[in-house]
Amino acid sequence: GAGVSQTPSNKVTEKGKYVELRCDPISGHTALYWYRQSLGQGPEFLIYFQGTGAADDSGLPNDRFFAVRPEGSVSTLKIQRTERGDSAVYLCASSPRQYDYGYTFGSGTRLTVV
Amino acid sequence: GQQVMQIPQYQHVQEGEDFTTYCNSSTTLSNIQWYKQRPGGHPVFLIQLVKSGEVKKQKRLTFQFGEAKKNSSLHITATQTTDVGTYFCAGPWYSSASKIIFGSGTRLSIRP
Repeated sequence: GAGVSQTPSNKVTEKGKYVELRCDPISGHTALYWYRQSLGQGPEFLIYFQGTGAADDSGLPNDRFFAVRPEGSVSTLKIQRTERGDSAVYLCASSPRQYDYGYTFGSGTRLTVV
Repeated sequence: GQQVMQIPQYQHVQEGEDFTTYCNSSTTLSNIQWYKQRPGGHPVFLIQLVKSGEVKKQKRLTFQFGEAKKNSSLHITATQTTDVGTYFCAGPWYSSASKIIFGSGTRLSIRP
């Protein structure tokens, strides 16, 4: 596609539920990143994929968070047993290669846990 | 740990005035990137600086990378209402170049 697509754009879920957030990067971009942004803050790194593998998942806050990219294109961020503190905008970004290149961000998924 | 800090946190200017935001890293950076996020929008990549002392211009925007590669600045000349938004600097984590760390941003608002 022309840009990075994220779905859904908004998600409201009850505390304790499971959610999946999807990211469709720009075609041909091998690097894919997930960030989380809280109100008034800069994006916070969660995980980075190069191809199909998670090259760096050091930003995932705990084991309730997991992400996959099985075919090296679309990625899904999965959050189990959601907590109110998980409420934020989840941003996905892609770039043509790993280093020294700016990211193209999607519009994000606003997750609200009630 | 490594930190990327930006000042000021907020800046409110009259249209036509200049604006500058400063970015400081606790460690030397191999490169620094700048992004703009409009209210309600997502970050949009503006530029990347790589060389020590590098200066790049985009129309009214001037970007500088410090000689020690630990600080950077973005200067906007004669602001316009379209410049409204939050400006973020971002740099690679010292131990993992694939992990880009964002500053907390400077929010620019403009009085028409």
